[in-house]
Amino acid sequence: GAVVSQHPSRVICKSGTSVKIECRSLDFQATTMFWYRQFPKQSLMLMATSNEGSKATYEQGVEKDKFLINHASLTLSTLTVTSAHPEDSSFYICSAISEGAYSNQPQHFGDGTRLSIL
Amino acid sequence: SQKIEQNSEALNIQEGKTATLTCNYTNYSPAYLQWYRQDPGRGPVFLLLIRENEKEKRKERLKVTFDTTLKQSLFHITASQPADSATYLCALDQVDSSYKLIFGSGTRLLVRP
Repeated sequence: GAVVSQHPSRVICKSGTSVKIECRSLDFQATTMFWYRQFPKQSLMLMATSNEGSKATYEQGVEKDKFLINHASLTLSTLTVTSAHPEDSSFYICSAISEGAYSNQPQHFGDGTRLSIL
Repeated sequence: SQKIEQNSEALNIQEGKTATLTCNYTNYSPAYLQWYRQDPGRGPVFLLLIRENEKEKRKERLKVTFDTTLKQSLFHITASQPADSATYLCALDQVDSSYKLIFGSGTRLLVRP
């Protein structure tokens, strides 16, 4: 149980392109999803918290107009990297928690999206 | 701000031995601490959670300890196998949110057959 699917797994595109990444909880309802980015050999850095039906909460230093997040249903959140540039190249990972946001819950992660901007 | 320190050097051990990985934090004591496994090019997979009032937690060949005085957690894998080779991340709850996590950079474990 608690499977999270992330799509696509890999994207290579030209600078200036906007890229949409989907994160789906397959067998549970996820009221809260998280978006992280990870550089090689570094820790996961939380970008934003996505709650179903409301605006995402962004971490300090993350541009909300650059990284658009939509959480339209209890099983789907999307991250759109707008007008992507080479410095946006990274490994983007989503996670979800079930049964509402409270403490002591493990997060269930997707398998990430490798974004490469040429 | 909270900092999490995990040994950046890979831990290289012989199959069958016990692997011990360390997670130290510098600031406030978290309400709970989690350990995850991450394979190359994959998302992390949850392994164990330990609360601040628990000293030890076990799951099959895995054991986690939590010492709030030392501000340290130890993660043990007994009877290690080559399939245990991966990067292991520790994560703490953030002070301003009990469900948001801060992750360490992880320690890579290599188990030689």
